[in-house]
Amino acid sequence: NAGVTQTPKFQVLKTGQSMTLQCAQDMNHEYMSWYRQDPGMGLRLIHYSVGAGITDQGEVPNGYNVSRSTTEDFPLRLLSAAPSQTSVYFCASRLTGNQPQHFGDGTRLSIL
Amino acid sequence: DQQVKQNSPSLSVQEGRISILNCDYTNSMFDYFLWYKKYPAEGPTFLISISSIKDKNEDGRFTVFLNKSAKHLSLHIVPSQPGDSAVYFCAAMPSGSARQLTFGSGTQLTVLP
Repeated sequence: NAGVTQTPKFQVLKTGQSMTLQCAQDMNHEYMSWYRQDPGMGLRLIHYSVGAGITDQGEVPNGYNVSRSTTEDFPLRLLSAAPSQTSVYFCASRLTGNQPQHFGDGTRLSIL
Repeated sequence: DQQVKQNSPSLSVQEGRISILNCDYTNSMFDYFLWYKKYPAEGPTFLISISSIKDKNEDGRFTVFLNKSAKHLSLHIVPSQPGDSAVYFCAAMPSGSARQLTFGSGTQLTVLP
């Protein structure tokens, strides 16, 4: 049972480049979320989804897009990378809104 | 404005002693609280939770206490073990349909052998 799988694990981008961080879960969870973790700031919610076809913004959505075409996948797109987006990104999923989240192992992203 | 605060960035404890990690919150709508543990290069893993209708929840060596009037919760680990060395995040969830988590900034616990 893979749980939540994030790819890639590491990525270096140049300012202005775009890329997609992949997230897949095999637990048939309805709820999926993207967080970024920065030193001294904990995890901040970027975007979330409560089911296929439904997404909403979190605390820090600017510069990111998401879509949820299937229950399993929830990709995060950086439209035009900026140095301020250097961070560790975590994807998480849960079956319902009343249950704890399962996290992937993260993607460490550096923007030069 | 941080709605969930962990004011101690780090804590060192001797093996076998008690570890107490603290968390304060400001949003009265929070009604479910969780603790996550994170090792380097891994994602956070769920540790223990408590609903606002309780003031204590135990799971083995881990106990979470909730003081609603003070908007304060704490995680007690007894006895502490070197494998408990990790970053601990407090998180809170509001009532209602959205129920998204708000995290604290984390406390690095080091258990010394």
